[in-house]
Amino acid sequence: NAGVMQNPRHLVRRRGQEARLRCSPMKGHSHVYWYRQLPEEGLKFMVYLQKENIIDESGMPKERFSAEFPKEGPSILRIQQVVRGDSAAYFCASSPSSGAFDTQYFGPGTRLTVL
Amino acid sequence: GENVEQHPSTLSVQEGDSAVIKCTYSDSASNYFPWYKQELGKRPQLIIDIRSNVGEKKDQRIAVTLNKTAKHFSLHITETQPEDSAVYFCAAQNTGNQFYFGTGTSLTVIP
Repeated sequence: NAGVMQNPRHLVRRRGQEARLRCSPMKGHSHVYWYRQLPEEGLKFMVYLQKENIIDESGMPKERFSAEFPKEGPSILRIQQVVRGDSAAYFCASSPSSGAFDTQYFGPGTRLTVL
Repeated sequence: GENVEQHPSTLSVQEGDSAVIKCTYSDSASNYFPWYKQELGKRPQLIIDIRSNVGEKKDQRIAVTLNKTAKHFSLHITETQPEDSAVYFCAAQNTGNQFYFGTGTSLTVIP
């Protein structure tokens, strides 16, 4: 059973370009969480999705950022018109269901660098 | 919403000594508390967790305690080894299945 997959692992963009980050949850997991981590800082929640639904996007900036988790395919975190402050590691995590006590498992992260 | 505080932010111990990291949470309805270890440049890895109906859980050199009344939980690492050096994060899950993370503790085990 493969773990949580993320790609690309490293992404370099120039200011104003778009960044698309992909996350494939563990097999059997239908819940995906996205987090941002700045160097030497903690994990900041961005968005929580189930298949075809955004459950909680309270941690995601309202402009330029969007996320989806379609019925088929990976979850996508999309950042439009990137700025240098978007440079960070973006981790996704998945869990099997909406029940209590469901552990999150993290992917390896995508390190975004904005030039 | 939930607020998780974690202390200390950095911790250095001699190899073989114990390390204790403490977290507090604000939402009394939170019911699941995992701990993650993150090595430099790598993903957070779950190392131990505890549910709200349990006061203590142990797995070899690692233990976690939970005091629901005081709303705090702690990670205890005994007989520390250099490979325990990493950043440790606590988290609390609320009834909305949302996870709130502490700010992390950078643990250094000195050989």
